[in-house]
Amino acid sequence: GENVEQHPSTLSVQEGDSAVIKCTYSDSASNYFPWYKQELGKRPQLIIDIRSNVGEKKDQRIAVTLNKTAKHFSLHITETQPEDSAVYFCAAQGNDMRFGAGTRLTVKP
Amino acid sequence: DGGITQSPKYLFRKEGQNVTLSCEQNLNHDAMYWYRQDPGQGLRLIYYSQIVNDFQKGDIAEGYSVSREKKESFPLTVTSAQKNPTAFYLCASTLTGGYNEQFFGPGTRLTVL
Repeated sequence: GENVEQHPSTLSVQEGDSAVIKCTYSDSASNYFPWYKQELGKRPQLIIDIRSNVGEKKDQRIAVTLNKTAKHFSLHITETQPEDSAVYFCAAQGNDMRFGAGTRLTVKP
Repeated sequence: DGGITQSPKYLFRKEGQNVTLSCEQNLNHDAMYWYRQDPGQGLRLIYYSQIVNDFQKGDIAEGYSVSREKKESFPLTVTSAQKNPTAFYLCASTLTGGYNEQFFGPGTRLTVL
C-alpha cells in the first residue's frame, strides 16, 4: 500500500519568513495530494490540494509543488504569520488516503 | 463545520469494556473513514467504507470493528481486544471517484481508565 513520509516533524520560523514542508510517497498510482492544517484540539481542514496532472498550484501565501517522477511534493508558506502555527499533514490518495506523520509549525512573532 | 458529526466528544471507558463511537454525515458522501491520532502523531487509518454494507481494514484494524448499514452512518466499536485504545479518533467522509477532499468530524477523545 501507499506510504507517505513527511519532513520535518517540527519547524520553527520567524514571522514573515517562509516555511517549507516536504513529503514523499511510494505508490506511483497515487493521483491526488491534499494538505491539511490542524489547530490544537480541532479537526484537520484542507488548505490546498494538487492533482497528478499539475506541477504547481498557488493560493495567496500558500503553494504546493509536485514532482511525479521523484514522487515528492512540498508545501510552501510565504510571509508566515502567528496564526499559521498549527500541525500540517500531507496526504496521498491512490485506492485510499494515506497521511504523513505531520509537521508542527511554530511562527514566532 | 457542519455536515459530519461525531459523538460523544469525550468518552471514558474502563478496561475490558467495548465502546462505540458514532459518526454521521449528511453530505451524501459515499466513502467514510476512521482514523486514530495519538499525541504528536499522524493519522492512522483504522477502517474505511466506500459503499453501504462494505468496508475494508486499514493499517491498524486489530481490536476495532465497524458497520455500514446506512450511507449516513459509520460507527466504530473499540473492543476490549484493543490493547492501547486511549487516543483521539477522527471520522471523515468523501465522494468517491476523482479527486475529492476528505471532510473530517470534530473527533472523539477516548480515555481508558
